[in-house]
Amino acid sequence: GAVVSQHPSWVICKSGTSVKIECRSLDFQATTMFWYRQFPKQSLMLMATSNEGSKATYEQGVEKDKFLINHASLTLSTLTVTSAHPEDSSFYICSARDPRLAGRGNEQFFGPGTRLTVL
Amino acid sequence: GENVEQHPSTLSVQEGDSAVIKCTYSDSASNYFPWYKQELGKRPQLIIDIRSNVGEKKDQRIAVTLNKTAKHFSLHITETQPEDSAVYFCAAIYNQGGKLIFGQGTELSVKP
Repeated sequence: GAVVSQHPSWVICKSGTSVKIECRSLDFQATTMFWYRQFPKQSLMLMATSNEGSKATYEQGVEKDKFLINHASLTLSTLTVTSAHPEDSSFYICSARDPRLAGRGNEQFFGPGTRLTVL
Repeated sequence: GENVEQHPSTLSVQEGDSAVIKCTYSDSASNYFPWYKQELGKRPQLIIDIRSNVGEKKDQRIAVTLNKTAKHFSLHITETQPEDSAVYFCAAIYNQGGKLIFGQGTELSVKP
C-alpha cells in the first residue's frame, strides 16, 4: 500500500513553454501532498504544500504564479511550470501522507520524481 | 526559522566499519525525524525514523538516536557494505502540518 506515482518520469521542453507534472496516490486518498525540487548534488527543497480543494501553501521564495499547483481530487495533484526557463531544469518530486496510517501519520511516501530539462 | 543542519557532507569508510551522520534541527516542537537513502536519479527511500517519545531505535545494522534537549539526532550504520554507498538525508517535521525539512545530505562511500 501507500504508493505514489508521477507522470511523466522525464520531460524535455523548449524555453517559454509550460509543463505539467502529475502526482497520484494510487491506493489511498491524500488530502495533502507536497512538491519538492532537487538540483544536482543538492537536497530536496520543499516548494509547496498542496491541499485538496483549497489553495496551495507556497514556501518562501517560490513564485506561485510560475509554479501552479492544483489539487482537484483526493488522489491527484498537478504542478505546472509556466514559461519554463533553463534554470527551472531540475528533479521534481512529490510526496503524500496516508491518513490511514494511524500513529504513523507523519510518514511521507514519495513519487519516483520527474526530470525536467528546459532547452 | 525552519532549518536542519547535516554533517558531514561526504563520508568515506572501509567496508565493515561504522558510519555516523549527525543532524540538528531548530524547531523544538518537531516530533518526527526520518532518514532517507537516495540513489542517483531515484526517489528518497525511508530507511528508519524516530519519534520524539523515544531516544533510540534500531533496525538490524541501522540505528537512530535522538536528543530532544540538544535537538540532535544521528544515524548509525554498522558493518557497512558497498551497497550502503548512496546519499543519505535526515529530515524533521515542522508545524505539525506535515511538511518535512531536509538536511543537506551526506554522500557515503563504502570502499571494499
